[in-house]
Amino acid sequence: AQSVAQPEDQVNVAEGNPLTVKCTYSVSGNPYLFWYVQYPNRGLQFLLKYITGDNLVKGSYGFEAEFNKSQTSFHLKKPSALVSDSALYFCASANQAGTALIFGKGTTLSVSS
Amino acid sequence: DGGITQSPKYLFRKEGQNVTLSCEQNLNHDAMYWYRQDPGQGLRLIYYSQIVNDFQKGDIAEGYSVSREKKESFPLTVTSAQKNPTAFYLCASALSSAQSYEQYFGPGTRLTVT
Repeated sequence: AQSVAQPEDQVNVAEGNPLTVKCTYSVSGNPYLFWYVQYPNRGLQFLLKYITGDNLVKGSYGFEAEFNKSQTSFHLKKPSALVSDSALYFCASANQAGTALIFGKGTTLSVSS
Repeated sequence: DGGITQSPKYLFRKEGQNVTLSCEQNLNHDAMYWYRQDPGQGLRLIYYSQIVNDFQKGDIAEGYSVSREKKESFPLTVTSAQKNPTAFYLCASALSSAQSYEQYFGPGTRLTVT
């Protein structure tokens, strides 16, 4: 069965430091991968996606993600964290039929000033 | 939250009552989705619809029903058969159901059943 895993429930970083939020996937065929962010009591906002092409994908708000096929990973990164980046982050993959997304359980990012 | 509206933001119901959550989009998207979010469990797919008058069960469809009579609207009914209905419900839409199209989410409805 296809699945997406986010091994860390919470990531803590200091403002100005680089951040990484981890995601690994298990899918059949070519993976279609996404990152979303959720602020408290709000819907999810799209950050970036990997469909094909360059392994380094750039997205909104200075975020980027690196696709690594050999490690089946799609980690979210940002060179310099902001306090306003504090939120819940979800990694997702399209299901095999391409009809819906499979989400990880989410990682809470806390950036301290 | 794009062009997707969900109402109401908070909803309270007594156990045993059916309740319908509204989802409307003005993005001209073909595909629409309903997810349930519980703390520490991520988002789980309840139902999805790729075109008008057609919908498919997701992973946790039991105790829920939907309709898709219009392209813009995809209401979700939480029936009394749903054993644990208290949750945050999110509606989403996408240009199509193809893998490459990202989903746009509404602001969510928090349902509390007592």
